[in-house]
Amino acid sequence: QVQLVQSGAEVKKPGASVRVSCKASGYTFTRYALHWVRQAPGQRLQWMGWINPANGKTKYSENFQDRVTFTRDTSANIVYMELISLRSEDTAVFYCARDGEAGWFDPWGQGTLVTVSS
Amino acid sequence: TQLTQSPSSLSASVGDRVTITCRASQGIGTYLAWYQQKPGEAPKLVIYAASTLQSGVPSRFSGSGSGTDFALTISSLQPEDVATYYCHQFRTYPLTFGGGTKVEIK
Repeated sequence: QVQLVQSGAEVKKPGASVRVSCKASGYTFTRYALHWVRQAPGQRLQWMGWINPANGKTKYSENFQDRVTFTRDTSANIVYMELISLRSEDTAVFYCARDGEAGWFDPWGQGTLVTVSS
Repeated sequence: TQLTQSPSSLSASVGDRVTITCRASQGIGTYLAWYQQKPGEAPKLVIYAASTLQSGVPSRFSGSGSGTDFALTISSLQPEDVATYYCHQFRTYPLTFGGGTKVEIK
């Protein structure tokens, strides 16, 4: 079945960077874009952008474009999200999610908790 | 495009009909999905294209609407439906989500 498995929880200091991975299985990796979504405590889901695994093309939300980079490894069916200059408001669960046939998200990874604390 | 959900929370009895609404700040056609998120879990797709039920989702869930006004209805609330529900528009960038509706059992 289609599955997205993310890397484990991280604890980082303010100003540091974090890289989260998302490994896809159960479908042709290069066929669908993968999105990243941030869910901070008490906040609504916030879309960060997407990557097209076929060609590496990316689109970032203006809210994150100065600090985030998406990459992919097609040999391992993995996409990565790197977020730099971490601040306390980046304490959140980060999800990857596969693009549906016309833009909805299905399925989602299990989420990765990133805690930013001095 | 901003999405405004209401109510932000509700409490209903098992078997009740429950309706959650989502209003978009501009017309989005039917480029809307609904997700269910249970505590400690990732969101799960319930409805896409405003009214299409995702495979495997119970038929008591239904979606309606187009343009700016949308609704998610649970025809007969069950204990396993306790969750937070989010609407999501994918018509315009940046893609956005509603603020969520927490559904509890009375």
